[in-house]
Amino acid sequence: EDQVTQSPEALRLQEGESSSLNCSYTVSGLRGLFWYRQDPGKGPEFLFTLYSAGEEKEKERLKATLTKKESFLHITAPKPEDSATYLCAVQAFDETSGSRLTFGEGTQLTVNP
Amino acid sequence: KAGVTQTPRYLIKTRGQQVTLSCSPISGHRSVSWYQQTPGQGLQFLFEYFSETQRNKGNFPGRFSGRQFSNSRSEMNVSTLELGDSALYLCASSGGASGNTIYFGEGSWLTVV
Repeated sequence: EDQVTQSPEALRLQEGESSSLNCSYTVSGLRGLFWYRQDPGKGPEFLFTLYSAGEEKEKERLKATLTKKESFLHITAPKPEDSATYLCAVQAFDETSGSRLTFGEGTQLTVNP
Repeated sequence: KAGVTQTPRYLIKTRGQQVTLSCSPISGHRSVSWYQQTPGQGLQFLFEYFSETQRNKGNFPGRFSGRQFSNSRSEMNVSTLELGDSALYLCASSGGASGNTIYFGEGSWLTVV
């Protein structure tokens, strides 16, 4: 069974204080690892997909990296508008996985001005 | 480009009633999946449809069902509602030019009283 564990559960940062969120996973045949951002009362907003160990992707202040067992979401010089819940999800590779994602519980990030 | 559209956004139902939620995927996407999000369980996969066929199903009772139409629009139905069915129901679509990327709608908030 696919498993995704995110840490920490909650993180408070001061504006400009860089940090990283962790996503550990176990999956039989990784098809893709997804990062989403979710604001209260809204659906998850797609950020990145990573497919293989060593891959990195960047978008503004966010950078996602992937190893064989975990992924990190690095946030550089965060701003208050980066406050949200960040979700990690894995998609397994098998004939029936289709678009099925297994999500972690998320990291609730708060950036104080 | 229009995103994934879900209706209704909010609804209140009474225990024992049934409910139907609707989802219009991004144009060109043929895969539609549904998720339930609650504070205690996080995001849980319900089912996925592709070309009007259910391709994958999560661990939910038979009261939860869905279907997909020839234009890729999808509906999910929950019969004999229970208090524990109160949740945010999210629809996601993928395919076409987006490839493996899975995009979510804003969700339908269901409250069962």
